[in-house]
Amino acid sequence: DAKTTQPTSMDCAEGRAANLPCNHSTISGNEYVYWYRQIHSQGPQYIIHGLKNNETNEMASLIITEDRKSSTLILPHATLRDTAVYYCIVSKPQGAQKLVFGQGTRLTINP
Amino acid sequence: GAGVSQSPSNKVTEKGKDVELRCDPISGHTALYWYRQRLGQGLEFLIYFQGNSAPDKSGLPSDRFSAERTGESVSTLTIQRTQQEDSAVYLCASSLTRGGAEAFFGQGTRLTVV
Repeated sequence: DAKTTQPTSMDCAEGRAANLPCNHSTISGNEYVYWYRQIHSQGPQYIIHGLKNNETNEMASLIITEDRKSSTLILPHATLRDTAVYYCIVSKPQGAQKLVFGQGTRLTINP
Repeated sequence: GAGVSQSPSNKVTEKGKDVELRCDPISGHTALYWYRQRLGQGLEFLIYFQGNSAPDKSGLPSDRFSAERTGESVSTLTIQRTQQEDSAVYLCASSLTRGGAEAFFGQGTRLTVV
C-alpha cells in the first residue's frame, strides 16, 4: 500500500482557512487520495477524494500537486466543530482495496 | 436505516468470555470493513469483505478474532477468550465498489474487558 505522511498536530484560528498537508510520494497511477476526519467519540467521516484534478465540495477543497506526490486539504472557514483528527489515505478505488489509516493530523480550531 | 448500524453500542465483558459484535451495513454496499481503535490511538485495520471474494483477514491480531459476513448483509466480529488488551472501540464501515465511492462508518461498539 502507498503510505502517507502527515504532521501530528496543527492549530488554526476560528474563521481562518485550515490547510492540512499530506505527502504520498509512492502513490501509483490509479490510486486516489481520500480524506476522512474523526471527531472525538464518533466514527470517521468522509470529506473528499481526488485522483489528479483539484476537487471542491461543500466541506472542503483538495489540492493535488501535478506530480501527485502531495496534497493539501483546505477547510476555507474553519469553525470550532472542525476540531478533529484528519486522515489522508491513498487507495485504489474504494471498495476494491482495504482502507489503511495512518495516525492522521490532530487539528485544533481555536476561538 | 440509512446508515451503518452497530450493536451493541457498549459491551462490558469478563476476561476469558467470548463476545460477538454486529454490523449492519448500508443496503447494497458490497464492501465491508472492521477496524479497532484503542483509546487515543488510530484506526487499526482488522478485516475486509468484498462481495463474494475471499475476505482479507490480514489485520486480525490473533486466532481469537474471526469475522463472518452473510452475502452482502450483516457481519459479525467474534472475539474468543477476551483479554484486557482487547478493550477498544470496534468500528465497522461499508461502501459501494466503484471508483471514488466513500466509506460510511458506524458509531462503533465500545468493548471493555474487565
